[in-house]
Amino acid sequence: DTAVSQTPKYLVTQMGNDKSIKCEQNLGHDTMYWYKQDSKKFLKIMFSYNNKELIINETVPNRFSPKSPDKAHLNLHINSLELGDSAVYFCASSQGPFLGGANTGELFFGEGSRLTVL
Amino acid sequence: SQQGEEDPQALSIQEGENATMNCSYKTSINNLQWYRQNSGRGLVHLILIRSNEREKHSGRLRVTLDTSKKSSSLLITASRAADTASYFCATSGSARQLTFGSGTQLTVLP
Repeated sequence: DTAVSQTPKYLVTQMGNDKSIKCEQNLGHDTMYWYKQDSKKFLKIMFSYNNKELIINETVPNRFSPKSPDKAHLNLHINSLELGDSAVYFCASSQGPFLGGANTGELFFGEGSRLTVL
Repeated sequence: SQQGEEDPQALSIQEGENATMNCSYKTSINNLQWYRQNSGRGLVHLILIRSNEREKHSGRLRVTLDTSKKSSSLLITASRAADTASYFCATSGSARQLTFGSGTQLTVLP
């Protein structure tokens, strides 16, 4: 049973198109994330949702719009794709947000969605 | 800005040898975590060390933390070919998010 699953695994599209990546976790976690990993393997957080509410929104172009219909799902929609959007996008979840205390903040990652914009 | 920096960027060793990777960070932390990423896969959590701990062990893994130097090291003993992967440190602090370093690519030669 996959804990954090994201689809599609590969996505090849033309500049200017709109695409979505879906993510689901069956761990019962409250917090979900989207990370972007570039060609040099640098991981940067994009968004974080806690129980369907946005809690982290890093400096990301507003062409990127996350949506959390419930706490087990966090989807990422990207409008007007650009060449620089090519990357691997990782969904992750944790028991709760990083508020300290008992929550250790261990992240569980999906397998990634490789987006190639031509 | 990037919080952690791993050193070296790449490490190649023979099977059976020990592998040591270092991580330096800039701001105060609650805890520091190490993750492994196999090629084409997602990251997997290896071990967490809290800011009030100095050393932690898990199987063949040993992590140290020196908060005065803002640095951590990950030691993998008796390495195996299956340990070939990228290793990332990640820090959790007041920013309420986990910030990753740039990673060390470890290659274990059979």
